[in-house]
Amino acid sequence: KAGVTQTPRYLIKTRGQQVTLSCSPISGHRSVSWYQQTPGQGLQFLFEYFSETQRNKGNFPGRFSGRQFSNSRSEMNVSTLELGDSALYLCASSLGDSSYGYTFGSGTRLTVV
Amino acid sequence: GDSVTQMEGPVTLSEEAFLTINCTYTATGYPSLFWYVQYPGEGLQLLLKATKADDKGSNKGFEATYRKETTSFHLEKGSVQVSDSAVYFCALPPNQGAQKLVFGQGTRLTINP
Repeated sequence: KAGVTQTPRYLIKTRGQQVTLSCSPISGHRSVSWYQQTPGQGLQFLFEYFSETQRNKGNFPGRFSGRQFSNSRSEMNVSTLELGDSALYLCASSLGDSSYGYTFGSGTRLTVV
Repeated sequence: GDSVTQMEGPVTLSEEAFLTINCTYTATGYPSLFWYVQYPGEGLQLLLKATKADDKGSNKGFEATYRKETTSFHLEKGSVQVSDSAVYFCALPPNQGAQKLVFGQGTRLTINP
């Protein structure tokens, strides 16, 4: 059974650019969540999608957005990149109930220069 | 709001030593509790979980018991190996029905041969 797949694994972008990250969940999982991991702030929740609808959103500026497609694949977009957006972005999928836990992908390492 | 507090690291032990990583939480109700592990360069892996009070989660020699009277979920292992070197995160859904996780700050564990 394939796990959660995130692409690309690494990205280097310049300040002011925009970036799109992709996440393919485990087959049958309809919930996809995104987290940002930095040394200073730890793991912070960005947003969660279920059946193409955003159910939860964390405390991030509007530059961070996401969407989910009918096949449950999800993308997140960051516009007008800032140096502080450099982080590991993790995607997690689940059946839809947080009580069962989440399966995480290996992440996308974004570096903004 | 709901939160998770982990013992500060880093923690360095010798192989075959006994491990305890403390985790306490504040939460509304009795949420599921999780321990995740992150190996270098990878995403998070679910190590174990407990879904109700007095449950004991276990996996790969690690154990944690859900103690509602002390609001704790300490991670233990009787004899650690070099391969256990990683960062460990305690986590919970912040409230009933919340489709996201709140993480502790993480504890970096290094096992020396």
